[in-house]
Amino acid sequence: SAVISQKPSRDICQRGTSLTIQCQVDSQVTMMFWYRQQPGQSLTLIATANQGSEATYESGFVIDKFPISRPNLTFSTLTVSNMSPEDSSIYLCSVAVADNQPQHFGDGTRLSIL
Amino acid sequence: AQSVTQLGSHVSVSEGALVLLRCNYSSSVPPYLFWYVQYPNQGLQLLLKYTTGATLVKGINGFEAEFKKSETSFHLTKPSAHMSDAAEYFCAVSVYSGNTPLVFGKGTRLSVIA
Repeated sequence: SAVISQKPSRDICQRGTSLTIQCQVDSQVTMMFWYRQQPGQSLTLIATANQGSEATYESGFVIDKFPISRPNLTFSTLTVSNMSPEDSSIYLCSVAVADNQPQHFGDGTRLSIL
Repeated sequence: AQSVTQLGSHVSVSEGALVLLRCNYSSSVPPYLFWYVQYPNQGLQLLLKYTTGATLVKGINGFEAEFKKSETSFHLTKPSAHMSDAAEYFCAVSVYSGNTPLVFGKGTRLSVIA
């Protein structure tokens, strides 16, 4: 399985600001996935990031609020823009090293908005 | 569309007792099924997966799960609970093993009583 590093691991931010979360993988992967886990809830897919193309967003998530970059096969960023307290969540990235392999997750970014 | 239902948001067992966490799925195509565990302040760790073949799958830490197509179930079991098993457990389904999004159940919090 891949080693997935997320930065920052946690942050406390002011309302109205933006934060960029980084996800670094130790091997080249086709897809990278971004999930949100709201307090006490399950995981919901935000978007799928494929290198060289625009990210594909799930219903309820828009690019203006959650812009994603995927500059190469080992790295992606998720920005949470114009944050409000409702954005307080854990944000996780995941990858599968091959089509026949399961997804593995980073440790997540714990985000609190004041 | 796919969905996952985990029966019981909280399960409590005594140390040494059987652990049974229930998961039922809905899928219009043959599913790929996963169990993940989340320890406090950590990301998700893959416990086990079912893709094709043997319907009884063994995972890490003594856990196993059985795929029952007729019952659309994928329940997680462990013969003897250990204190270190206390965590949140998520069942997930996808249409493929790797590079397709996961749909998660709401999770079951397992408590182990000494």
